[in-house]
Amino acid sequence: ETGVTQTPRHLVMGMTNKKSLKCEQHLGHNAMYWYKQSAKKPLELMFVYNFKEQTENNSVPSRFSPECPNSSHLFLHLHTLQPEDSALYLCASSPGGGSGEETQYFGPGTRLLVL
Amino acid sequence: AQTVTQSQPEMSVQEAETVTLSCTYDTSENNYYLFWYKQPPSRQMILVIRQEAYKQQNATENRFSVNFQKAAKSFSLKISDSQLGDTAMYFCAFSEGAGSYQLTFGKGTKLSVIP
Repeated sequence: ETGVTQTPRHLVMGMTNKKSLKCEQHLGHNAMYWYKQSAKKPLELMFVYNFKEQTENNSVPSRFSPECPNSSHLFLHLHTLQPEDSALYLCASSPGGGSGEETQYFGPGTRLLVL
Repeated sequence: AQTVTQSQPEMSVQEAETVTLSCTYDTSENNYYLFWYKQPPSRQMILVIRQEAYKQQNATENRFSVNFQKAAKSFSLKISDSQLGDTAMYFCAFSEGAGSYQLTFGKGTKLSVIP
C-alpha cells in the first residue's frame, strides 16, 4: 500500500487559507489523477496528467489548481475554498498511455475540512 | 455520457457465505472495460477484478468472480467464502476503450461481513 502516498492525511483550513496537497507515486507510472470523494456520491474525476501534460479537467472550479512537475509528483493547490469542498481527495496513478484498460492505483487520500 | 448504477447502498453477509453485489451501466460504446474496486475502512482503494467487454468469459480472481451480461449491461460481483477482511466499500467502475482516462464510478455498496 505504499506505491502511492499522499500528504497531509488530514487538513483543516479556513475559507481564506491557501494550502497544497501532495501526491507521490513510486510505481514508475506516467499518468496521475486527482479525484474528489464525497459521502453518498460517486468518485468525481477532477484532473488527469499523462506524461506531465494535463489531459482532463472536468469543469473543476479555479480555486483548485493542479501541478505536475514530473511523472512521480502531483500537487493540488487550494485557495479560497468553500465548505462544500470538504471531502476526501484521492490521488491515483496508472502506467499511462490512455488505453482505457489500465488499473489505477490509489493513495490513502487527504481528508479535507473547510471551515 | 456513461453512468454506473449500484442499487444496493449496503449489504451484509455471514462469514463463509456467498454474496453478490449488483452493478448496471449505460453506454453506447461497444468496447470498454469494467472494474470492481474495494475500499476497506480507512485504507486505500484497490482493484478487485476487471473485465474487458469483448471477452465473453467472465473474469475470476480467487474468491471473486463476475457475472458479465453485455446485452443487459450488467456486471455483478460474487464473493465466495466471505471473510472478515472483505468488509469494505465496493465500487463498480467503467472505462471506455483506447484514448480514455475517464473512469466513471458508481456510488458504491457498503459490505459488512458478520462473524
